[in-house]
Amino acid sequence: EVQLVESGGGLIQPGGSLRLSCAASGFTVSDNYMSWVRQAPGKGLEWVSILYSNGKAYYAESLKGRFTISRDSSQNTLYLQMKSLRADDTAVYFCARGVGTFEDVDFDFWGQGTLVTVSS
Amino acid sequence: QSVLTQPPSVSAAPGQRVTISCTGSSSNLGAGYDVHWYQHLPGAAPKLLIYANTNRPSGVPDRFSASKSATSASLAITGLQAEDEADYYCQSYDSSLGAWVFGGGTELTVL
Repeated sequence: EVQLVESGGGLIQPGGSLRLSCAASGFTVSDNYMSWVRQAPGKGLEWVSILYSNGKAYYAESLKGRFTISRDSSQNTLYLQMKSLRADDTAVYFCARGVGTFEDVDFDFWGQGTLVTVSS
Repeated sequence: QSVLTQPPSVSAAPGQRVTISCTGSSSNLGAGYDVHWYQHLPGAAPKLLIYANTNRPSGVPDRFSASKSATSASLAITGLQAEDEADYYCQSYDSSLGAWVFGGGTELTVL
């Protein structure tokens, strides 16, 4: 059974850093496209980043330079390193498995999400 | 402001049919990129409802169907049930942004 479990969220001060984890089971992270999607309070879903199986990573333009997506094959886990956090990064962060080819990707399995709150 | 435009809300009575539109442009749906649909209940993981314009994943009831034409797409739900009350999102890729994009979401209320 495919399962994704996020962790690492919490309360962080503006300017701080946080690393989110997404532990996968039932499939191999490194063989798949993996993505992070976030939802700010009262807002819709917003794509954050994607990591292709070939190792290429892409980011939402507004997040480039502050967020880094990575994976650990030995742990079958996806990560999102976030730095210089701002109040508008406050959101529930979901990890999701991507299916498709290059740009035509849908997200067929999602985790329950982890809440990141950026506040002093 | 999302590049994929959805109505903020729709409503219908149990048993009725409802449609949710998703309007894009020449850099996403009009460029031939697929559209996908998700159902999201608050506090839960989003669920893939339709992939590649018209296809239902295993386990999704055939009450859910979708279509795509040029720069727009539509999700239809027939035989509405109380459990269908959720937020629905369309998603595609936008070549101008170089990003995967979601519609703003549509809140479905079953009256």
